[in-house]
Amino acid sequence: QQQVKQSPQSLIVQKGGISIINCAYENTAFDYFPWYQQFPGKGPALLIAIRPDVSEKKEGRFTISFNKSAKQFSLHIMDSQPGDSATYFCAAPASRNYGGSQGNLIFGKGTKLSVKP
Amino acid sequence: EAGVTQFPSHSVIEKGQTVTLRCDPISGHDNLYWYRRVMGKEIKFLLHFVKESKQDESGMPNNRFLAERTGGTYSTLKVQPAELEDSGVYFCASSQRVYQSTQYFGPGTRLTVT
Repeated sequence: QQQVKQSPQSLIVQKGGISIINCAYENTAFDYFPWYQQFPGKGPALLIAIRPDVSEKKEGRFTISFNKSAKQFSLHIMDSQPGDSATYFCAAPASRNYGGSQGNLIFGKGTKLSVKP
Repeated sequence: EAGVTQFPSHSVIEKGQTVTLRCDPISGHDNLYWYRRVMGKEIKFLLHFVKESKQDESGMPNNRFLAERTGGTYSTLKVQPAELEDSGVYFCASSQRVYQSTQYFGPGTRLTVT
């Protein structure tokens, strides 16, 4: 069964610090790696996603780094703020090899981030 | 533009009862997905519709789960009869395309089976 391994499970960071969450994937149908942010009582919301032609994508304080050869990608949150406290999920498209539909996402188990003021 | 909506937000039922969850995707999105998150676990895929057709239902746990998408618009997910292990949060997501296309998630339905 295809998996995306996400670490750490929980993370506590001081305000202004850097939060780093890592994910490792197996084979995928295509290169598209989204990160979702979820607040309590809400559904996951797309935070940032990276597509195949780049190894890094930055949007404001959020950066995805992508290492295709190692099959790893990570999320960096610079200058972490208390409002960033949420659960973060990485995801990868299901692989045909695992019977995926090529559309559905395989999610990591999530990282609960707490940013202390 | 309205987002993905789901109803109800929370449902508590007894083992053996039936529950129907509803999802209204973003207008114009042909692709509709159902996912489930059991407490402490990852969000897991259940099935994928393209318009009114089931593209992939490989994630459906068993035949107690039945999903439909009427006229390619809203979708329902029925659990009959519900079991304790069906408890979790059921998410619906929609997207315009399949490849490299953002999936927009609804707020989820929290199902508790007692």
